[in-house]
Amino acid sequence: DAGVIQSPRHEVTEMGQEVTLRCKPISGHDYLFWYRQTMMRGLELLIYFNNNVPIDDSGMPEDRFSAKMPNASFSTLKIQPSEPRDSAVYFCASSWRAGNEQFFGPGTRLTVL
Amino acid sequence: AQSVTQLGSHVSVSEGALVLLRCNYSSSVPPYLFWYVQYPNQGLQLLLKYTSAATLVKGINGFEAEFKKSETSFHLTKPSAHMSDAAEYFCAVSDASGGSYIPTFGRGTSLIVHP
Repeated sequence: DAGVIQSPRHEVTEMGQEVTLRCKPISGHDYLFWYRQTMMRGLELLIYFNNNVPIDDSGMPEDRFSAKMPNASFSTLKIQPSEPRDSAVYFCASSWRAGNEQFFGPGTRLTVL
Repeated sequence: AQSVTQLGSHVSVSEGALVLLRCNYSSSVPPYLFWYVQYPNQGLQLLLKYTSAATLVKGINGFEAEFKKSETSFHLTKPSAHMSDAAEYFCAVSDASGGSYIPTFGRGTSLIVHP
């Protein structure tokens, strides 16, 4: 298996633009997680899915953030409109079960100018 | 609710010296415990995990950690540091106290290795 795949690896955009981050989890994993990592706040869990269903989105910072998982092999995290304070590295991770180890993707480094 | 405390945001050691990264957790039920490593510009990857078997857990790259229930600790050690060990290390705890086993991560400890 190729592991968790994220795209793009880097994204530079201007304030107000829509940003879409993509993730392909490891096949057979039932859980998918979206994290944001910054120097100030560390690693934050934004939302997680179980069998494509969003379970807990309490970590999503604002209504500007939304996430979907239309099928078991694809998820998106969208920011609309983007703001400079959204600049961070966004990770996607997947696992077989909630308590199992998570497999992280390489991350998307987002810069909002 | 579970929580994780990693003492020291930065730990600096000389090459060949002992590495000790501290992790304390709070959990009202038996937890699963993990250590992850993050190299620059990469995602986190699992170093080792404790899942109620042996209390001394051996991981990759010569790292090991000991689960001490009485101290609610899961410290990570390596007898001899190598330059390639320089990275960010995260401790995570997972239990059923919140109704699920979704893990909570610590803030991370940056390991600096001097030649």
